[in-house]
Amino acid sequence: GQQLNQSPQSMFIQEGEDVSMNCTSSSIFNTWLWYKQEPGEGPVLLIALYKAGELTSNGRLTAQFGITRKDSFLNISASIPSDVGIYFCAGGGKLIFGQGTELSVKP
Amino acid sequence: DAGVTQSPTHLIKTRGQHVTLRCSPISGHKSVSWYQQVLGQGPQFIFQYYEKEERGRGNFPDRFSARQFPNYSSELNVNALLLGDSALYLCASSPVLRGTYEQYFGPGTRLTVT
Repeated sequence: GQQLNQSPQSMFIQEGEDVSMNCTSSSIFNTWLWYKQEPGEGPVLLIALYKAGELTSNGRLTAQFGITRKDSFLNISASIPSDVGIYFCAGGGKLIFGQGTELSVKP
Repeated sequence: DAGVTQSPTHLIKTRGQHVTLRCSPISGHKSVSWYQQVLGQGPQFIFQYYEKEERGRGNFPDRFSARQFPNYSSELNVNALLLGDSALYLCASSPVLRGTYEQYFGPGTRLTVT
């Protein structure tokens, strides 16, 4: 079945640093979504991508839909403590999720 | 506007019992999906409903069932609970079945099976 491989699994960075995480699939996806989940809450949609090559920003977040339609990346610029959480990539209509990237930000 | 709501927030059951979880979608959203999230993993797709009909099912046993009501709210039922059913159960709603796959999640129901 389809699987999403997300990396890195965890990141521990200093406030103000930029962050990059990516997601690869064994199959082609027509949609890539990026979510953030904080403890005790459901995932919150950050960015949705619908076209290969598409580059979309949401504030300090930027995500790209890979040309091959088998990958996507998410960048966070100038990280702040409230960026802490688990970031998930997801693809497809009946969403398939990656394993998540846990982000820790040191003030 | 209210987001996706789920009830109850937490639930403790014993093995062999059954459980019913409830979800109300965002107003105007007609599609509801259910996901299971085990600690330390990403959510796993269980069901998708649109206009009261099942439109997709993940790799879960028949002990799991769901339905959608005329007001688009939904219930997830799990029978003969196992310890491995302990998880966060998430409901997500989206406005249409095709054209957009933006799903908006509720806070989840934390199920503990003892």
